[in-house]
Amino acid sequence: GAVVSQHPSRVICKSGTSVKIECRSLDFQATTMFWYRQFPKQSLMLMATSNEGSKATYEQGVEKDKFLINHASLTLSTLTVTSAHPEDSSFYICMGTGGNTEAFFGQGTRLTVV
Amino acid sequence: AQSVTQLGSHVSVSEGALVLLRCNYSSSVPPYLFWYVQYPNQGLQLLLKYTSAATLVKGINGFEAEFKKSETSFHLTKPSAHMSDAAEYFCAVSDLYGNKLVFGAGTILRVKS
Repeated sequence: GAVVSQHPSRVICKSGTSVKIECRSLDFQATTMFWYRQFPKQSLMLMATSNEGSKATYEQGVEKDKFLINHASLTLSTLTVTSAHPEDSSFYICMGTGGNTEAFFGQGTRLTVV
Repeated sequence: AQSVTQLGSHVSVSEGALVLLRCNYSSSVPPYLFWYVQYPNQGLQLLLKYTSAATLVKGINGFEAEFKKSETSFHLTKPSAHMSDAAEYFCAVSDLYGNKLVFGAGTILRVKS
């Protein structure tokens, strides 16, 4: 099946720094990319939806200035956690879809902010 | 609005025994329903999906699920558990093509030898 490659798989950063997470669709055009966050022992919560070439739509309670999403091409979407704090430590997962096709998840990124 | 309830955060079965993971959904429109499996520190892998065709859906690794509209359920089953089935399983609902999935809280399946 199609693949979404997400990097890095793990990252540890200092409080106050920014971290960029990339998701690339390798063999399909991801017109839409969804970004999810999963806290320990909890389910996945949708953070934002981005369509290629458009501004992302954020779910209620998600700070758009803190979680910057860029979806400049049909094969690349990025999530930047700005001024990270320990409470941002989580598992972040992207999910790409070409529209009327199956959606595919990235491998996830374990972010730890110390 | 759509929502998913997974009954039982942890399920433990013996190897070779029946696996039953429960999922009930709420949706104001005809739902698309999904089961995903997540192994530790990995992303999610699609097991199977219901998209308004056959109500009994067969997926990978011997899993299947039956859509029951009258019960608003989409329970996941496997006749005989294998050690490699130990993982966390998520039921999810969407309104169209699997976009903007709403996930249940997840069920951790433990398989005892």
